[in-house]
Amino acid sequence: DVKVTQSSRYLVKRTGEKVFLECVQDMDHENMFWYRQDPGLGLRLIYFSYDVKMKEKGDIPEGYSVSREKKERFSLILESASTNQTSMYLCASSSLAGGPGSYNEQFFGPGTRLTVL
Amino acid sequence: QQQVKQSPQSLIVQKGGISIINCAYENTAFDYFPWYQQFPGKGPALLIAIRPDVSEKKEGRFTISFNKSAKQFSLHIMDSQPGDSATYFCAASMNTGFQKLVFGTGTRLLVSP
Repeated sequence: DVKVTQSSRYLVKRTGEKVFLECVQDMDHENMFWYRQDPGLGLRLIYFSYDVKMKEKGDIPEGYSVSREKKERFSLILESASTNQTSMYLCASSSLAGGPGSYNEQFFGPGTRLTVL
Repeated sequence: QQQVKQSPQSLIVQKGGISIINCAYENTAFDYFPWYQQFPGKGPALLIAIRPDVSEKKEGRFTISFNKSAKQFSLHIMDSQPGDSATYFCAASMNTGFQKLVFGTGTRLLVSP
């Protein structure tokens, strides 16, 4: 059974704190993604990684950074948390595409609901 | 051009009825259109997906209808059940290597008993 796990389900932090959100997948997937989910805005891509130590900015990278030191682990870092980063954070992973025209399912973790006070 | 517009934002359907959720896109480079289903407290999970070379795909009670010329696609849930109550996201992607998904804003479906 494929699995993406996230380190915390709920997290409460103070403004200005450094926050680490951890994601681990056990499917040997090459691609990993971080999204934030907000009501009325859907899922928005923050960062993604297609290989160890490789990262690419998504649509809303400002205020975030990521780290991928091992294939199975992808961390999202909020260097100085702000109240507008209060959100649900979702991690996902997928295998490398099989070639032109093939797509692979993204598997999501259960999410971390972060509140910044 | 990268957006996917989804409607309605919320939907209430009686048990046994048909639920219809619509999405529209602008970027003609999109060539993969999945729908994800999310239950409360869970992450989204792939429900069904379609490529633009077909106009319809059916899996059980779930059907995607695709209109390439109108750049629209929709999810139809036949014989809706209370267990279908969830949030549904349409998405789109293009085969540029990383296969990023662009998600719609989501539809919260409630199927009343």
